[in-house]
Amino acid sequence: EAQVTQNPRYLITVTGKKLTVTCSQNMNHEYMSWYRQDPGLGLRQIYYSMNVEVTDKGDVPEGYKVSRKEKRNFPLILESPSPNQTSLYFCASSLRLAGGIDTQYFGPGTRLTVL
Amino acid sequence: GQNIDQPTEMTATEGAIVQINCTYQTSGFNGLFWYQQHAGEAPTFLSYNVLDGLEEKGRFSSFLSRSKGYSYLLLKELQMKDSASYLCAVPQAAGNKLTFGGGTRVLVKP
Repeated sequence: EAQVTQNPRYLITVTGKKLTVTCSQNMNHEYMSWYRQDPGLGLRQIYYSMNVEVTDKGDVPEGYKVSRKEKRNFPLILESPSPNQTSLYFCASSLRLAGGIDTQYFGPGTRLTVL
Repeated sequence: GQNIDQPTEMTATEGAIVQINCTYQTSGFNGLFWYQQHAGEAPTFLSYNVLDGLEEKGRFSSFLSRSKGYSYLLLKELQMKDSASYLCAVPQAAGNKLTFGGGTRVLVKP
C-alpha cells in the first residue's frame, strides 16, 4: 500500500530534550516536506527536500533541522524543543513536475506537546 | 511573499450547495490545489487547477481565474460526511514551496 508513515504519532516531552520525528514514504517520491498545523494559522511549511541531499527552508524553519540521506526518509529534528513548538506535524511527499510539485500525500500526523 | 485568503467558516444544509472562495497573490503562478481535511486527520487531495476555467469531479468542482487571483471550490449535494476543513494551497518559489490558506471549516447540518 502506497503510504507516508510518521513516528511517533503522539509525543509529550520537556523543554530542551532533543527529539526526532521520522517520516518514510514508499512511493519513490523525489519531493518531501514537513508542515506544522496550529489553530488559526493553518498549515505552514517548515522544510522541504527536492531530492536526496537537497533541502531548503520553508516559511517557519527556526528551531528545526532536517536531513535527506535516503530518498524514502526525511526525519525532522528538534535539537532543543520549546513550548512554542507544541503543534500537529505532518510529513508529505510528492512527485516533482517540470513546473513544480505534484499532489502532496500526507502522513497521519504527529501530535507533539513540549512542556 | 504570498497571501492566501479564505473564509474561516461556512454552514450549509444537507443537500445544498456551498462555494468556498480563495484569493491569492503570487509572483509566479504554478497552479492551485484544494485539499480536504477532516478533524484530526491528514489532508487529502481534491483538485488541482493550472488553467482558467472550471474542473468538475463528481459532486466537487473547482474554478480558477489567474487574472483575478481567484479560485473557488464548489460542493454540490452536500452530505454530512462533507463536514471538514477545505484548504487552498499555492506553490511558490518556482513551484517548490507550498503555501496554504488558513482553511475553511464547513459544517453541514441536517
